[in-house]
Amino acid sequence: EIVLTQSPATLSLSPGEGATLSCRASQSIGTYLAWYQQKAGQAPRVLIYDASNRVTGIPARFSASGSGTDFTLTISALEPEDFAVYFCQQRSNWPRYSFGQGTRLEIK
Amino acid sequence: EVQLVESGGAVVRPGGSLRLSCAASGFTFEDYSIHWVRQVPGKGLEWVSIINWDGSDINYADFVQGRFTISRDNSRNSLFLQMNSLTAEDTALYYCAKEHDSGWYLDSWGQGTLVTVSS
Repeated sequence: EIVLTQSPATLSLSPGEGATLSCRASQSIGTYLAWYQQKAGQAPRVLIYDASNRVTGIPARFSASGSGTDFTLTISALEPEDFAVYFCQQRSNWPRYSFGQGTRLEIK
Repeated sequence: EVQLVESGGAVVRPGGSLRLSCAASGFTFEDYSIHWVRQVPGKGLEWVSIINWDGSDINYADFVQGRFTISRDNSRNSLFLQMNSLTAEDTALYYCAKEHDSGWYLDSWGQGTLVTVSS
């Protein structure tokens, strides 16, 4: 089973600052990684797929990189609506999927 | 507009059974693999199961251990999850989610249906 570990668990920042979120896989998953954003009371929304491809309609301030076991989601110049929980997901051992435990991005 | 609407969540006693449904609209349901994902309120996401377009390829997370059965009825644009031998650890919000047409990631989600297992 591939385990995804996200860090930090909580990130406290102010609007306008940049955010860097990490997701580490227990074994290589190539670029089979997606990032989701979940706001309180809402379903998750996909932001990034295949490690670095932004989904249509997602603002350019969201970017991501990585391959193998180490992945990063970067949000430049945080907007108030960006404060949410972020999850990574892998499908490398298809058809078994798994999610990271999440990073809560909160307003400082 | 793609819509996924889950239903069937309820309070059930340990050892009991429940059948969840997911009604799809706004896309050609029979063309897509669909997943169930669950989430304990305030906690992380946990992948549960996947069914391919015609139901011929199905997989489950290890914790299911033969207790859950995913199925679909393409004529009714509906997905199901039959859950048996429920335990308190199955208490969660259950989402159905659709795969993107050119990839594996989940591009549309329902709002979830709450399953509570309690005596």
